[in-house]
Amino acid sequence: QVQLVESGGGVVQPGRSLRLTCAASGFMFSRYGMHWVRQAPGKGLEWVAMIWNDASNKYYADSVKGRFTISRDNSKNTVYLQVNSVRAEDTAVYYCARGSYDTRGYLFLDYWGQGTLVTVSS
Amino acid sequence: DIQMTQSPSSLSASVGDRVTITCRASQSTDNFLNWYQQKPGKAPELLIYAASSLQSGVPSRFSGSGSGTDFTLTISNLQPEDFATYYCQQSYNTPWAFGRGTKVEIK
Repeated sequence: QVQLVESGGGVVQPGRSLRLTCAASGFMFSRYGMHWVRQAPGKGLEWVAMIWNDASNKYYADSVKGRFTISRDNSKNTVYLQVNSVRAEDTAVYYCARGSYDTRGYLFLDYWGQGTLVTVSS
Repeated sequence: DIQMTQSPSSLSASVGDRVTITCRASQSTDNFLNWYQQKPGKAPELLIYAASSLQSGVPSRFSGSGSGTDFTLTISNLQPEDFATYYCQQSYNTPWAFGRGTKVEIK
C-alpha cells in the first residue's frame, strides 16, 4: 500500500533553516511527481512546491520562491524540502503528496502523508 | 496565477440533505479541477479529479460537475462522516492553487 511519511519538523527560530523529508513506499516512486502542501494552524491548504519524477523541473509558490528548495533521491524513494530563512508565516503542518495523473493527462494529489509540524518561534 | 474562489465558506446541513459547494477559477482550468475532503487533524483525501471523475473508493453520493471556470461539488444524502471541510484545487498550471475551503457542519 502507498505510504508517505514526513519527518523533520519542529521548532525553529526565525531566519534559521531546516530540511523536511518524505519517505515513500508502496509504489514506483521514480514514476511520480511529488508535492509539498502546507496548512497554517486553523487555515486552509496552500500548495508549496512540486518536483517532476526525474527532478528535471521544479515549481514553487510565490510565497516560498527563493527560500525553499524541493529535491528528491529516487534511489532512496525520498523527497525533501529545504526550508531556509524561515518566517513566522511559515508555521504550518507540511504535507507531502503524490502527484498522479490519469490516461487523459489530468493531474491530482491522490496520496498524502500525515504531515509534519513546523513552528517558527524565537 | 489562477485564483480559486469557493462558496460558501461554511454551511449547516442535516443528515440526508443534498449539499452543493461551488468553486470558481479566475481563468479557465480546462477541467483540471480536483476536490478534497479534510477532517480535523487528518490529511486531505482526494474525492473528485478532472472535475467529475470519482476517485476509487469514494462513495457515489459525491459528484462533481462543471467546466471552464465554474465547478460544483455535490453531496447527495449527506452522511455523518461527511461533516468535514472541502477544498477545490486547480492543477492546470503552476502555481497550483486551492480554494479557501467550505466547512460542512451539522445543523
